[in-house]
Amino acid sequence: GDSVTQMEGPVTLSEEAFLTINCTYTATGYPSLFWYVQYPGEGLQLLLKATKADDKGSNKGFEATYRKETTSFHLEKGSVQVSDSAVYFCALRGPDDYKLSFGAGTTVTVRA
Amino acid sequence: GAGVSQSPSNKVTEKGKDVELRCDPISGHTALYWYRQSLGQGLEFLIYFQGNSAPDKSGLPSDRFSAERTGGSVSTLTIQRTQQEDSAVYLCASSPTGVGEKLFFGSGTQLSVL
Repeated sequence: GDSVTQMEGPVTLSEEAFLTINCTYTATGYPSLFWYVQYPGEGLQLLLKATKADDKGSNKGFEATYRKETTSFHLEKGSVQVSDSAVYFCALRGPDDYKLSFGAGTTVTVRA
Repeated sequence: GAGVSQSPSNKVTEKGKDVELRCDPISGHTALYWYRQSLGQGLEFLIYFQGNSAPDKSGLPSDRFSAERTGGSVSTLTIQRTQQEDSAVYLCASSPTGVGEKLFFGSGTQLSVL
């Protein structure tokens, strides 16, 4: 079945550092790919998405590019802030599916 | 309210007891999902509702788990004869139609089975 594998955390960074969280997927067909974020004490919320190969999703300074050749959707941000401290989840939805399959989540802590 | 609401936010119960978890989705959202988040693991899909029907119950881990949705709105997840391995955060999410849209999540119910 469809699945997502993301890098294990926790990840601890200093402010203004570069952040990368790796995500690879296994799916039949052409899934849609997502990054969700869970800030402390809040529910998960959509950060960005891409629905076809070579699409780049972006939001709040974060970017991820849908790479079909490497089945990857890595999340990047060039300069993190303390407010980016959160748990980040990679997810996919199959082309004929209605539910999301999530990775295990990566906890990111940004220190001032 | 404006968002997905879940209650209770925390529930502590004894092994063998039954528990009910409630989800109030965003008004007008026809699709509703239950997920489970265990420590160190990703979100595990449990069940999907479209209106009051549940076309996909494939994620329910055993027959001790059941869910219903009434009036196309509120949903209740029931766990009978709870076990310690049921301890987790139970998340509810809704979306307008369930087709290709983002999910709106509640803050979850932290269930602890002693």
